[in-house]
Amino acid sequence: DVKVTQSSRYLVKRTGEKVFLECVQDMDHENMFWYRQDPGLGLRLIYFSYDVKMKEKGDIPEGYSVSREKKERFSLILESASTNQTSMYLCASSLRDRGRLGYGYTFGSGTRLTVV
Amino acid sequence: TQLLEQSPQFLSIQEGENLTVYCNSSSVFSSLQWYRQEPGEGPVLLVTVVTGGEVKKLKRLTFQFGDARKDSSLHITAAQPGDTGLYLCGGTGAGSYQLTFGKGTKLSVIP
Repeated sequence: DVKVTQSSRYLVKRTGEKVFLECVQDMDHENMFWYRQDPGLGLRLIYFSYDVKMKEKGDIPEGYSVSREKKERFSLILESASTNQTSMYLCASSLRDRGRLGYGYTFGSGTRLTVV
Repeated sequence: TQLLEQSPQFLSIQEGENLTVYCNSSSVFSSLQWYRQEPGEGPVLLVTVVTGGEVKKLKRLTFQFGDARKDSSLHITAAQPGDTGLYLCGGTGAGSYQLTFGKGTKLSVIP
């Protein structure tokens, strides 16, 4: 069964800590994405990558960075965690859409991060 | 950033009723996708529509893409408690890799 695996379901971190969220996909997808989901705000794109070592800012990149050294792995880094980064973080992957075929995303189960 | 408005935001209905949720934008989308998300899990893809006027059916769910590719609807016939969840629409613009999502419609189907 193809899947996107996020390393942790729940994390509690202290303010100021450096936090790493890991995501691995086994579908050989080119595109990978990091979203955060908050009540009333929906899913907001933080960063995405369309190839190894490539990254693009999404709508809310401030306070975050990413790394994609291998095709199957996309990491989200919170350089200095703050309480306003408490959220559900969702990783997703997809094929690159070369012909307007509308390839869907496969999401991981999410990491619920609490920053105290 | 292209915006997607979903309505209604919340919907609570009795088992067996029909319902429609809407996804609207002022922008044209190359494709539009619908997902369902259950509590504590990631969204799961239900359908993708890419052609204006396209209609797709998935058992009791009917999805329609507007002729101008700016809006979409999801109709559920004879809702069941298993349909409960958050329904999200997401669209991609021309030449774009990423999906922009609406805020979702939270559906509760009461037995």
